Amino acid sequence: AQSVTQLGSHVSVSEGALVLLRCNYSSSVPPYLFWYVQYPNQGLQLLLKYTSAATLVKGINGFEAEFKKSETSFHLTKPSAHMSDAAEYFCAVGGMNTGFQKLVFGTGTRLLVSP
Amino acid sequence: DSGVTQTPKHLITATGQRVTLRCSPRSGDLSVYWYQQSLDQGLQFLIQYYNGEERAKGNILERFSAQQFPDLHSELNLSSLELGDSALYFCASSPSGGGIIQETQYFGPGTRLLVL
Repeated sequence: AQSVTQLGSHVSVSEGALVLLRCNYSSSVPPYLFWYVQYPNQGLQLLLKYTSAATLVKGINGFEAEFKKSETSFHLTKPSAHMSDAAEYFCAVGGMNTGFQKLVFGTGTRLLVSP
Repeated sequence: DSGVTQTPKHLITATGQRVTLRCSPRSGDLSVYWYQQSLDQGLQFLIQYYNGEERAKGNILERFSAQQFPDLHSELNLSSLELGDSALYFCASSPSGGGIIQETQYFGPGTRLLVL
């Protein structure tokens, strides 16, 4: 079975600081990995996805994530946090052994950005 | 705005009741997905329909059912409701049935269900 673990239910940063949200995955087959963002009272929006091409994936809003097989990680980073980045972030894994259409989500990390 | 609409936004009902949640996908999208987000279970995939037919099933309870109509809107029916069914129910759509790898899912704003 596939799963993801997001370390830290809450992460607090100052505006302008580096954002690092951690995600580790478990998968018996090559995984496809995703980061979604959920703003208050809204649905999820895809930030970026890894589908076995380049290991460094660039997404929207200045976010990027690096797939590291040796560490089974797919951490999300942004060099400089903005107040508008405050939201909940979900890491997800999908792949053939979860069923082609299914995503398995982590528990989410709430990013708090202070002035 | 993703282009996916869900009604109602909020729903309050009692245990044992039945409710129907409605989703209209983005114009032209053939696939509709349903997800449940609760404090206990987190975010879980329930079911997917593609052009009117069930395509994939996740952790959907037998008390729950869904369908997709010829105009491609979808309904999620929840029956014999229990307190634990209180959650945010999201609908998402994608252009075809190509799967999560090839296609981006666009999420609606959700329906918040409270079972008392």
